[in-house]
Amino acid sequence: GEDVEQSLFLSVREGDSSVINCTYTDSSSTYLYWYKQEPGAGLQLLTYIFSNMDMKQDQRLTVLLNKKDKHLSLRIADTQTGDSAIYFCAQKGDGGSQGNLIFGKGTKLSVKP
Amino acid sequence: EAQVTQNPRYLITVTGKKLTVTCSQNMNHEYMSWYRQDPGLGLRQIYYSMNVEVTDKGDVPEGYKVSRKEKRNFPLILESPSPNQTSLYFCASSPHFQGNNSPLHFGNGTRLTVT
Repeated sequence: GEDVEQSLFLSVREGDSSVINCTYTDSSSTYLYWYKQEPGAGLQLLTYIFSNMDMKQDQRLTVLLNKKDKHLSLRIADTQTGDSAIYFCAQKGDGGSQGNLIFGKGTKLSVKP
Repeated sequence: EAQVTQNPRYLITVTGKKLTVTCSQNMNHEYMSWYRQDPGLGLRQIYYSMNVEVTDKGDVPEGYKVSRKEKRNFPLILESPSPNQTSLYFCASSPHFQGNNSPLHFGNGTRLTVT
């Protein structure tokens, strides 16, 4: 079945860049997503990328997609303490999972001052 | 304000005592879903609903029931809770089921403890 893998932890210093990586299995996904979960809150959509794109930039966020390797990354430039959260990569499942979103286990980003 | 509202935020109960976690959205979304979040396991889907009176099992439906009598509400029912259902639960909705660019909107979560 489909699977989405990401490392569980990342620690960076304030002002540095953070790169969160994700690998996925379903090459038919047309959209791939990044969600952010702040402490005590639900997930919020951070950004997404369409599968015919290699890169998408939105202010401090850069998403890179390597379809050949099924690898997705999220780069946060000038990381701030407010960026500390859990980041989830997600893809649309195929018919076997009814087309619902398949989430990775989440990467906890800790930003040290 | 557009939102998904879950109640209660925290709930402590005992094994076997039926409970309901409510979920309501005010965005006229067709699609609604319940997830549980556990350490090391990430988010797992329990049940989802594509529209009124249409519900289907997700990855971990055992021990749960849902109903979708109206578009805005999607309650999660635990008929006989057990300690392995202690978890953080999230309700989510999106405008459409099939639309790839229909992001999920999440509630703030319900932390359930079953003793």
